[in-house]
Amino acid sequence: QSILTQPPSASGTPGQGVTISCSGSNSNIGSNTVNWYHQLPGTAPRLLIYRSNQRPSGVPERFSGSKYGTSASLAISGLRSEDEGNYYCATWDDSLKWVFGGGTQLTVL
Amino acid sequence: EVQLVESGGGSVQPGGSLRLSCAASGFSFSIYSMDWVRQAPGKGLEWISYISDSSSSSIYYADSVKGRFTISRDNAKNSLYLQMNSLRVEDTAVYYCARDLSYGGNEYWLDPWGQGTLVTVSS
Repeated sequence: QSILTQPPSASGTPGQGVTISCSGSNSNIGSNTVNWYHQLPGTAPRLLIYRSNQRPSGVPERFSGSKYGTSASLAISGLRSEDEGNYYCATWDDSLKWVFGGGTQLTVL
Repeated sequence: EVQLVESGGGSVQPGGSLRLSCAASGFSFSIYSMDWVRQAPGKGLEWISYISDSSSSSIYYADSVKGRFTISRDNAKNSLYLQMNSLRVEDTAVYYCARDLSYGGNEYWLDPWGQGTLVTVSS
């Protein structure tokens, strides 16, 4: 069982928006910034959001992140078919380890 | 281009050993901390080990591998290693190395990740 809690699945139609939540505790999300990764089958995770709300170069503005207390969320607007895949939240835990969410499988209907 | 390339994966029997390598290029390897993260087939991501920068003064392990796995680095060769002993069936996974970045006192992220190397533990 993952330390961070994410919904196992999410979906939306092209052009719609979707939000994925990530819930943790005081020792992880409550103390440190959150990162989001996108993973397609058979490929390595790709950084999508870091420091809770920063986008690496090359990541579209359609992706945004936020953090509030011990929870975080990833918002995707204007859904596109290439947004399908698994999304993971991650953060450092003060018990000296990285912790991940269980992943959210996004389907674009 | 910042790049990480893992190697050393393969099939091994329970109780056996493997040594994974991660070759880094495109950045000053010695000044960055590094991590190993694994992903069992069809499952999520699981962090397994961290090593601090040039001095390797800090090393951390997940409870699931503590006492069996050893992380190390050779800054002269821009390489990260994971020695895996007493392997179990449940260690079967794709193993990724990742660069560990930080900003300020509580802002950390892993980027980039290597392409991964598959370790299969089976009798």
